[in-house]
Amino acid sequence: GAVVSQHPSWVICKSGTSVKIECRSLDFQATTMFWYRQFPKQSLMLMATSNEGSKATYEQGVEKDKFLINHASLTLSTLTVTSAHPEDSSFYICSAPTGLAEGTQYFGPGTRLTVL
Amino acid sequence: AQKITQTQPGMFVQEKEAVTLDCTYDTSDQSYGLFWYKQPSSGEMIFLIYQGSYDEQNATEGRYSLNFQKARKSANLVISASQLGDSAMYFCAMREGPDTGGFKTIFGAGTRLFVKA
Repeated sequence: GAVVSQHPSWVICKSGTSVKIECRSLDFQATTMFWYRQFPKQSLMLMATSNEGSKATYEQGVEKDKFLINHASLTLSTLTVTSAHPEDSSFYICSAPTGLAEGTQYFGPGTRLTVL
Repeated sequence: AQKITQTQPGMFVQEKEAVTLDCTYDTSDQSYGLFWYKQPSSGEMIFLIYQGSYDEQNATEGRYSLNFQKARKSANLVISASQLGDSAMYFCAMREGPDTGGFKTIFGAGTRLFVKA
């Protein structure tokens, strides 16, 4: 079964509104989680590393004030897209390290955001 | 800076034949990990195979094998006996740093594989 869940699986919102996406690790703790964005027919682009109990680390070019990340507990990280615009429409995927030596990730099922 | 290159945007293969998906990488780290993930149309990311930078033998997982050529910085995925269900997007990825969970993973552009009946 799934070990990382995301909610919602899809969301449609109006331009200018904020959208929160949750990423939960199921039956394991994740001090670190990763947020990716994937545009249609493109690769996964790492947006930020979410760290439990501290500030997220954002990749170059990602606006931290627009994409707010909160890692409030060892099983939950949230990504809030503030004042969403149509260009923010994308597939957002979170992941958490499995804890195995090779550093593989458990990926969430993704959240499809459409901003009208 | 790290970089993953997948030069084949799309590949066709006949069912039951083998196919090789290319991946080259660039890193200055001595310790790193290489992965292949499959992404079907549903969007989920499915882990296929892993190769550590210090592993001397090529990784194999069932019908998947990774042709690791460290000097050439390539990590090609070989799928043997292709099945219709193998049709999907395939991503090569690299984890920087040693084998700990906190290091980020970056992805190549992907190769879409089409398996023909």
